[in-house]
Amino acid sequence: NAGVTQTPKFQVLKTGQSMTLQCAQDMNHEYMSWYRQDPGMGLRLIHYSVGAGITDQGEVPNGYNVSRSTTEDFPLRLLSAAPSQTSVYFCASSPYSNQPQHFGDGTRLSIL
Amino acid sequence: DAKTTQPPSMDCAEGRAANLPCNHSTISGNEYVYWYRQIHSQGPQYIIHGLKNNETNEMASLIITEDRKSSTLILPHATLRDTAVYYCIVRAALSNFGNEKLTFGTGTRLTIIP
Repeated sequence: NAGVTQTPKFQVLKTGQSMTLQCAQDMNHEYMSWYRQDPGMGLRLIHYSVGAGITDQGEVPNGYNVSRSTTEDFPLRLLSAAPSQTSVYFCASSPYSNQPQHFGDGTRLSIL
Repeated sequence: DAKTTQPPSMDCAEGRAANLPCNHSTISGNEYVYWYRQIHSQGPQYIIHGLKNNETNEMASLIITEDRKSSTLILPHATLRDTAVYYCIVRAALSNFGNEKLTFGTGTRLTIIP
């Protein structure tokens, strides 16, 4: 098992550009989520999904879209990148929502 | 959501037990206490969780006070590889379906001293 795989590992964007951060898991987990981590702060939940076709907002959803067309994949879309979205993004999954989560290694995103 | 309070940093000598405290005085009766750690800039790693009783696994022990208002994570024989930021989290339910989010605070930066 590869676990939770995030791509790319690093990305630099210009303000106003759009991009998709990829997250895939091969553990057949129903629950997946996206967090962002800013310097000196803990992780903040952006969006989550309890299964294919079901998504919901977390603490800081503005500027981000998600979809869950398959159990394996949970991409995070930045519609129009802003410098405030410069952060490290982590994807996580668990068998169900009430079980410990497995995290990917993160995507480090810089918006110029 | 119940909030947690942790010391910002701690040191521990290599080979000794590292005891990391966490206060969660507003925890609800059905909320679990989870511990994760984050080494360097890697993704957080699950360590242990519990509801009322003390728990132990291959990584650590979790001691929860009888009133459940605080807990302590114990790493019995700390090694240099245990240097990390440790997060104490109380799990909150979002809906009747058991959906949940993990609210991460700023954690405790544990440094293991050779």
